[in-house]
Amino acid sequence: DSGVTQTPKHLITATGQRVTLRCSPRSGDLSVYWYQQSLDQGLQFLIQYYNGEERAKGNILERFSAQQFPDLHSELNLSSLELGDSALYFCASSSPGGQGENYGYTFGSGTRLTVV
Amino acid sequence: GQQLNQSPQSMFIQEGEDVSMNCTSSSIFNTWLWYKQDPGEGPVLLIALYKAGELTSNGRLTAQFGITRKDSFLNISASIPSDVGIYFCAGQLRTGTASKLTFGTGTRLQVTL
Repeated sequence: DSGVTQTPKHLITATGQRVTLRCSPRSGDLSVYWYQQSLDQGLQFLIQYYNGEERAKGNILERFSAQQFPDLHSELNLSSLELGDSALYFCASSSPGGQGENYGYTFGSGTRLTVV
Repeated sequence: GQQLNQSPQSMFIQEGEDVSMNCTSSSIFNTWLWYKQDPGEGPVLLIALYKAGELTSNGRLTAQFGITRKDSFLNISASIPSDVGIYFCAGQLRTGTASKLTFGTGTRLQVTL
């Protein structure tokens, strides 16, 4: 168990629908990151939140949005879903660090989204 | 989206052999990281490198942060069956509390007995 919890593990939905993926970061971590991994592809950065505020943005579609709540959990909202949105969605968390600290992210086990 | 160039794309090796993979980028990174991903799981951090030229070991794993800050390599010595998986390099850019991790295209490792 990495300490990063993602729910649900699997999600099957129809095109045009909207879904919400949830992530609870590791205890003490202030940053949450969302990544998309399509079949046999690398991980594509979507967005970062730090202590409730958006901090960095990647190639996130306008149909996608995210937020981080006061208790630091985060939700990724995907709307007007298309077949091509089928992928593994990972959440990761990290803590702010100083010189020499481990900046590596801790990943959750992911949510597998299938759009039919 | 941007991905780092990672090679080889896949490797078939025998148990006990050494493995080497590398990653190159056109951009400079603050930190280089190496992750391993098992099927159906999230990536797990193996090694983190913080300074150009740094050479770091973690058990049978050794990684180096290139002098130009645009490349890194990972070596695995005396491979064992549980080394099977996909290995990703990742370069990190940080500005204050903003952070972006860019991943490589992955190296799929298969180990035969």
